[in-house]
Amino acid sequence: GEDVEQSLFLSVREGDSSVINCTYTDSSSTYLYWYKQEPGAGLQLLTYIFSNMDMKQDQRLTVLLNKKDKHLSLRIADTQTGDSAIYFCAESKQYTGNQFYFGTGTSLTVIP
Amino acid sequence: EAGVAQSPRYKIIEKRQSVAFWCNPISGHATLYWYQQILGQGPKLLIQFQNNGVVDDSQLPKDRFSAERLKGVDSTLKIQPAKLEDSAVYLCASSSLLGRGSYEQYFGPGTRLTVT
Repeated sequence: GEDVEQSLFLSVREGDSSVINCTYTDSSSTYLYWYKQEPGAGLQLLTYIFSNMDMKQDQRLTVLLNKKDKHLSLRIADTQTGDSAIYFCAESKQYTGNQFYFGTGTSLTVIP
Repeated sequence: EAGVAQSPRYKIIEKRQSVAFWCNPISGHATLYWYQQILGQGPKLLIQFQNNGVVDDSQLPKDRFSAERLKGVDSTLKIQPAKLEDSAVYLCASSSLLGRGSYEQYFGPGTRLTVT
């Protein structure tokens, strides 16, 4: 079955860059996503990348995908205290009922 | 547009009792998901509907959990009887097509269930 893994915790200083990593096992995954979850709230989609791409940039967010190593990362530039949250990576396959598989989540703490 | 609505937001019950959760997806979204999120873990898909049909319920504990989406809009998830290990946040999501076969899920705020 699908297995998506993340490190549990990350702590950075305000203004530094954050890098959150994710590994997955299913090589047939077509889309990979990053979601943000703030306390007491549902998940919010931040960005996604199609599996034939290596990189995607969206303002302060940069997603890197190494399909050979099945490794996905999310870089947040100029991290702010409002970025403190839990970040989940997820994978899905194209046109197969849109089943999503989520990682365990990385808790990002931004120190002022 | 209005987001995904869920109720109640919190529920505390004793083990062996029954409980039901309600979800109203974003208007026009054909796909609806129920997830279970245990503290410290990522969401785990329980059931996925496409309109009023079930696409995937392979991880739904069918001896105690049931879900329906009778008219292809609102959905209810029921647990009967509840066990201590059912304590979790139950998230509802609905999805729209992003393009090229990718779907964006919109999540509701969740219902936090505590079973004592």
